[in-house]
Amino acid sequence: GQNIDQPTEMTATEGAIVQINCTYQTSGFNGLFWYQQHAGEAPTFLSYNVLDGLEEKGRFSSFLSRSKGYSYLLLKELQMKDSASYLCAVLTDSWGKLQFGAGTQVVVTP
Amino acid sequence: DVKVTQSSRYLVKRTGEKVFLECVQDMDHENMFWYRQDPGLGLRLIYFSYDVKMKEKGDIPEGYSVSREKKERFSLILESASTNQTSMYLCASTITGANYGYTFGSGTRLTVV
Repeated sequence: GQNIDQPTEMTATEGAIVQINCTYQTSGFNGLFWYQQHAGEAPTFLSYNVLDGLEEKGRFSSFLSRSKGYSYLLLKELQMKDSASYLCAVLTDSWGKLQFGAGTQVVVTP
Repeated sequence: DVKVTQSSRYLVKRTGEKVFLECVQDMDHENMFWYRQDPGLGLRLIYFSYDVKMKEKGDIPEGYSVSREKKERFSLILESASTNQTSMYLCASTITGANYGYTFGSGTRLTVV
């Protein structure tokens, strides 16, 4: 079967760093996405990794190891507005089908 | 900007009703998807379509059907609504090979009473 695992919830202080891990076992792999979703809103794109290594985009970085079936999203200099759910999603075919993890709720405290 | 529009933000329907959820995108995307999102379960794929008149079952198609008569429109149909179909429904579209993933609609919160 297909499995994408990520922690349910993480809490961190404003200004700190948080790392959200995602492990996956899927029938196909054509890349891995991270999305951010605020309560009551649609997910929005954060990052895409298809090759091993680190992709950095401002305060957010995403890492992929295909051999380990592992990715993480690193959020630096946390701000209150970063309180949201973060979704890990694997592209399982060439056309665009995504398999999602259940999401990690990040709570940023003052 | 690509826009994916879902016809209703909130919907309340009665058990046994036939329910239509409409999704329209304006950027000529060939691939469209319907997901439902429930707490603790994440987004689960109901149906998808890679072309006009084409449809494929996702992971949880039971109780649902879809229609794609035009490229820009992908409709989700609940044949006979049940209370366990109370959920947030998200439509998404993309082009093949896109490295930005999906563009999502704003979602329809459906309550079946």
